[in-house]
Amino acid sequence: NAGVTQTPKFQVLKTGQSMTLQCAQDMNHNSMYWYRQDPGMGLRLIYYSASEGTTDKGEVPNGYNVSRLNKREFSLRLESAAPSQTSVYFCASMWGGGTSEQYFGPGTRLTVT
Amino acid sequence: AQTVTQSQPEMSVQEAETVTLSCTYDTSESDYYLFWYKQPPSRQMILVIRQEAYKQQNATENRFSVNFQKAAKSFSLKISDSQLGDAAMYFCAYRSANDKIIFGKGTRLHILP
Repeated sequence: NAGVTQTPKFQVLKTGQSMTLQCAQDMNHNSMYWYRQDPGMGLRLIYYSASEGTTDKGEVPNGYNVSRLNKREFSLRLESAAPSQTSVYFCASMWGGGTSEQYFGPGTRLTVT
Repeated sequence: AQTVTQSQPEMSVQEAETVTLSCTYDTSESDYYLFWYKQPPSRQMILVIRQEAYKQQNATENRFSVNFQKAAKSFSLKISDSQLGDAAMYFCAYRSANDKIIFGKGTRLHILP
């Protein structure tokens, strides 16, 4: 099993450009998440999807959109990138219910110039 | 909205000693779950320990244990017999019944040989 995979691993964008971060999991998990990690700020929840077909805003959703394409895939789109979106982005998935743990992808380092 | 607060940005402990990392949270929910994750320099997120809010008994996993004080909304992590491999960022996480999961800002733990 590959677990949670993210593409790309690194990306540099110019201000105003758009891009989509891809995330896929092969563990048949119900819930999927997007976080950003900035120094001193911990992991902040951008969006999550508790089940296929549903998405909900997290703590910092502005400037982002998501799509739960199917049970396996959950993409994050930046329509018009800004320098404030420079960060490391993590995707995570979880079976759901009880004390299920999250499984994290390796992260995408995004720089917006 | 729920919040998670980790008031210690950094801590140091001598090898083989015991250290306690603090975490407080705010919620109006009655059904929730709490977690501690470890993030070493590799950036991989590793589950350390988990706790159901409805359980009075504090969770324990080998050298790691928690002090869960539900009325005080406190969930501290105790690491006994600290080892060099315990050096990492530690994040406290709160999971709602609807699977929304938020994290604190983290505590960087240094182990002194």
